[in-house]
Amino acid sequence: EAQVTQNPRYLITVTGKKLTVTCSQNMNHEYMSWYRQDPGLGLRQIYYSMNVEVTDKGDVPEGYKVSRKEKRNFPLILESPSPNQTSLYFCASKNRGASGSSFTYEQYFGPGTRLTVT
Amino acid sequence: KNQVEQSPQSLIILEGKNCTLQCNYTVSPFSNLRWYKQDTGRGPVSLTIMTFSENTKSNGRYTATLDADTKQSSLHITASQLSDSASYICVVSGPEAGKSTFGDGTTLTVKP
Repeated sequence: EAQVTQNPRYLITVTGKKLTVTCSQNMNHEYMSWYRQDPGLGLRQIYYSMNVEVTDKGDVPEGYKVSRKEKRNFPLILESPSPNQTSLYFCASKNRGASGSSFTYEQYFGPGTRLTVT
Repeated sequence: KNQVEQSPQSLIILEGKNCTLQCNYTVSPFSNLRWYKQDTGRGPVSLTIMTFSENTKSNGRYTATLDADTKQSSLHITASQLSDSASYICVVSGPEAGKSTFGDGTTLTVKP
């Protein structure tokens, strides 16, 4: 089954304790992204990766790191979590398709990771 | 600045009724527009994708329209069901593959 998986699904941690949220996709997608979702703010992009060893900042990258050493994996790293990083996090991956004269990108989201930093 | 604005913010309808959600955007250059359905606490699921050359796309009871000239899109839901209760998110992308602009979503509640 084609899917994006995230682990853990739920995490409660304390300020300053480094953590990693893993993301893996089995669709051979080139593009992967991390988003956070907060009430009233919608989904905001943290980082994205267009291919192995190619990553770039999204709209809210501060306090986060990512790596893309393999095509299927795109972990999100919080070196020193703070309470303002309490949020619902989604990983997503895209394929590339064609429709007319433009490319369309079907994006698949993972189930989400609910992180609480106390 | 690229922006996507959705309206209404929330909507309550009775089961079996139709409804229309709106999305206005200022993203430029434009590549495609997507509508997603997001159930509470779950990841968004794609409903439709449209490029500038497409002005309507259907997926079952969901029909999306796009007017690239006025930069407006709508999502029409026909014969609503209780399972349609969710947040509907409009996402607009430019030609750069990694970047998309998300709307804040419309929360739809379908009541029996």
